[in-house]
Amino acid sequence: DVKVTQSSRYLVKRTGEKVFLECVQDMDHENMFWYRQDPGLGLRLIYFSYDVKMKEKGDIPEGYSVSREKKERFSLILESASTNQTSMYLCASSPPGQGIANEKLFFGSGTQLSVL
Amino acid sequence: GQQLNQSPQSMFIQEGEDVSMNCTSSSIFNTWLWYKQDPGEGPVLLIALYKAGELTSNGRLTAQFGITRKDSFLNISASIPSDVGIYFCAGLNAGGTSYGKLTFGQGTILTVHP
Repeated sequence: DVKVTQSSRYLVKRTGEKVFLECVQDMDHENMFWYRQDPGLGLRLIYFSYDVKMKEKGDIPEGYSVSREKKERFSLILESASTNQTSMYLCASSPPGQGIANEKLFFGSGTQLSVL
Repeated sequence: GQQLNQSPQSMFIQEGEDVSMNCTSSSIFNTWLWYKQDPGEGPVLLIALYKAGELTSNGRLTAQFGITRKDSFLNISASIPSDVGIYFCAGLNAGGTSYGKLTFGQGTILTVHP
């Protein structure tokens, strides 16, 4: 089974802090994604990466950056955390290829971030 | 970006009842998917639909890809307590190299009373 591991289940940070959310997958997937989940808004894509050192903006990239130095690890960075970034953050990965294979995302259990 | 409108937002049902939920879009999708998120976990893929009009089952779950390609439906028959969770629809236009960039609905929160 594919395992996507997020380093923290809960995080509490202060406004202005730099925050790192880490994600590791063990199935040699090329594609990795960061989503945030908010009640009533569903899942919204922040950034994704289809290869090491490659990154693409999703629908809501403002206030975030990412790093993919190794294939198995995809980090989400909040340069200066703000209260409106309080949310559940979900990491996902998927195998390479076009069309059918990519739709099957494998998600981590999520990190609930609270910014005070 | 594209918007998916999922309804209902929440459902409270008795064990044994059937459940229906749907998802509509203002634009066409080539692929529709349904994910379920158990409490405290990430979403897991339930069903994937690739052709307009397609009807696919997975145990007690049945999903349909709308003929207009702008909607999809999920039915759960004879619900049980472990059906509790959040159900998300997702759409994809697999043009070119999509990298699995899905658009998700807002989710339907399902509560099942024993």
